[in-house]
Amino acid sequence: EAGVAQSPRYKIIEKRQSVAFWCNPISGHATLYWYQQILGQGPKLLIQFQNNGVVDDSQLPKDRFSAERLKGVDSTLKIQPAKLEDSAVYLCASSLGHTGTNEKLLFGSGTQLSVL
Amino acid sequence: SQQGEEDPQALSIQEGENATMNCSYKTSINNLQWYRQNSGRGLVHLILIRSNEREKHSGRLRVTLDTSKKSSSLLITASRAADTASYFCATEGTDKLIFGTGTRLQVFP
Repeated sequence: EAGVAQSPRYKIIEKRQSVAFWCNPISGHATLYWYQQILGQGPKLLIQFQNNGVVDDSQLPKDRFSAERLKGVDSTLKIQPAKLEDSAVYLCASSLGHTGTNEKLLFGSGTQLSVL
Repeated sequence: SQQGEEDPQALSIQEGENATMNCSYKTSINNLQWYRQNSGRGLVHLILIRSNEREKHSGRLRVTLDTSKKSSSLLITASRAADTASYFCATEGTDKLIFGTGTRLQVFP
């Protein structure tokens, strides 16, 4: 089966600029996740969608980060304006069902963001 | 916030040896999962153990779960150079999957 697709693979921007990441989950997967992984740390959940509704965005810095899931399929994550501390790998994942139902997550390769 | 804490943070072994990684967590869980991440890549799911299970095997992997101690271990037997990666435990409650800090495993040929 096709995996979770993410683009771009790498992005370098200056602080205060804006950036957007795109994710196409596995076909038929209801739940989509965005994680932020800072170098040397484990992934931190930013936002979780079930179909096109938000399940959890408690750790999303809403003053600068936004995300949407179009028609319950593709998703975009935007940062505006970016800060130096946003430098990280942004991982998208999807699962067939929702968390709490013993589902495994399938991850994309991530977008590595460097903010200069 | 990250619930899981892995130990050790880094582990170096020779090919053929066994590697053991431990994960401790704080709150009650529905299941615990282990993932592998090769450098510069996304995470790959290895194994899921439910809260009512104590041990699970998959190939060269053996996972144990002790809910009374809120801890889990991942054993990789007969390690290979290709096992070199970071390994993360992730705990699932009722609504989200939270990842630990990871163990970096280096297997020398």
